[in-house]
Amino acid sequence: DTGVSQNPRHKITKRGQNVTFRCDPISEHNRLYWYRQTLGQGPEFLTYFQNEAQLEKSRLLSDRFSAERPKGSFSTLEIQRTEQGDSAMYLCASSPSSGHSMNTEAFFGQGTRLTVV
Amino acid sequence: AQSVAQPEDQVNVAEGNPLTVKCTYSVSGNPYLFWYVQYPNRGLQFLLKYITGDNLVKGSYGFEAEFNKSQTSFHLKKPSALVSDSALYFCAVRDIQTGANNLFFGTGTRLTVIP
Repeated sequence: DTGVSQNPRHKITKRGQNVTFRCDPISEHNRLYWYRQTLGQGPEFLTYFQNEAQLEKSRLLSDRFSAERPKGSFSTLEIQRTEQGDSAMYLCASSPSSGHSMNTEAFFGQGTRLTVV
Repeated sequence: AQSVAQPEDQVNVAEGNPLTVKCTYSVSGNPYLFWYVQYPNRGLQFLLKYITGDNLVKGSYGFEAEFNKSQTSFHLKKPSALVSDSALYFCAVRDIQTGANNLFFGTGTRLTVIP
């Protein structure tokens, strides 16, 4: 399967702990996105990378959230001092290098479901 | 500010009947519009998009959507529904004027096709 891969698929953590998720985009996709989806809602944008550069960040990305893409390939999303409100599905997506970034569709992974207890 | 409305949380249709899933949008400039489908335990899958040109766009699995600028709508349609079409459908928009790359999603419509 050469789609977007996310690990782990599920994560249960105690409030106050730090968690880190990994996303491996489709090979040679230079654009990478993180979204968050809560029950009954559509995905909400968190951040966007082009290669290793983080070009866009949502106001949803509080100081406790940090995302990296150090070599322009895989990306990590870390949440520090987790809160119960962080419980959600975290989605990663990537899109091809060709074409304009705005008119190119994104390909999504299956997500990491975070439960904070 | 950009927004997407999917006025129906749930749409039920009999197998073989035509289906429509509604979407309206609000952007400050011109939109790029997308439809995605989400099956249980699977990621969002791209169905189709409107960028420019013909207002009727065709996508995967026999789906199509019509861009209507005057009504700011982008309804998803299929002439004959299949039970396997049952899933959660999301409309999404990018606002060309803002230049932002993020997709802004609606809240989703659950489609149930009844055998």
